[in-house]
Amino acid sequence: GDSVTQMEGPVTLSEEAFLTINCTYTATGYPSLFWYVQYPGEGLQLLLKATKADDKGSNKGFEATYRKETTSFHLEKGSVQVSDSAVYFCALASYNTDKLIFGTGTRLQVFP
Amino acid sequence: GAGVSQSPSNKVTEKGKDVELRCDPISGHTALYWYRQRLGQGLEFLIYFQGNSAPDKSGLPSDRFSAERTGESVSTLTIQRTQQEDSAVYLCASSLDGGLNQPQHFGDGTRLSIL
Repeated sequence: GDSVTQMEGPVTLSEEAFLTINCTYTATGYPSLFWYVQYPGEGLQLLLKATKADDKGSNKGFEATYRKETTSFHLEKGSVQVSDSAVYFCALASYNTDKLIFGTGTRLQVFP
Repeated sequence: GAGVSQSPSNKVTEKGKDVELRCDPISGHTALYWYRQRLGQGLEFLIYFQGNSAPDKSGLPSDRFSAERTGESVSTLTIQRTQQEDSAVYLCASSLDGGLNQPQHFGDGTRLSIL
């Protein structure tokens, strides 16, 4: 079945460091892909999305490119801030099940 | 309000009791979802309501779990005879029309602790 695999956390970085959080997927066809972010004590919110191969989603300095050849959607940011500390979830829109399928989440901790 | 509202934010109860969790979606959103988030795990789909269609209950883990929604408004998730493994954060989300490319807007969740 369709699935999403994320790198395990926590990812611990100093402020202004470069961030990559890996996400790969298994799916039939070409699903839309998403990154959601969950700040402490809050619900999830959509960070960015891409709906077809080679699309790049971007928001708040974060970017992710839909790579069909490697079935990946890695999240990147050039310079992280303490306020980026959160849990990041990769997700795909499964047309098999008509549902969003989420990864297990990756906790990011940024220290000043 | 502008966002999805869930209540209570925290619930502690004894094993064997029934609990009821509430979700107020964004006004005008026809689709409503319930998820369970266990500690250190991803989101587990529970149930999906779309307009007046029959709900998709395929994610409910047992017959102790049920949910209702009145029209396109409030939804309640009920867990009967709670067990310790029911301890989790229960998240509600709504979207405009249930299309998979529509962003889901999440509430802050209800943290349920079963003693």
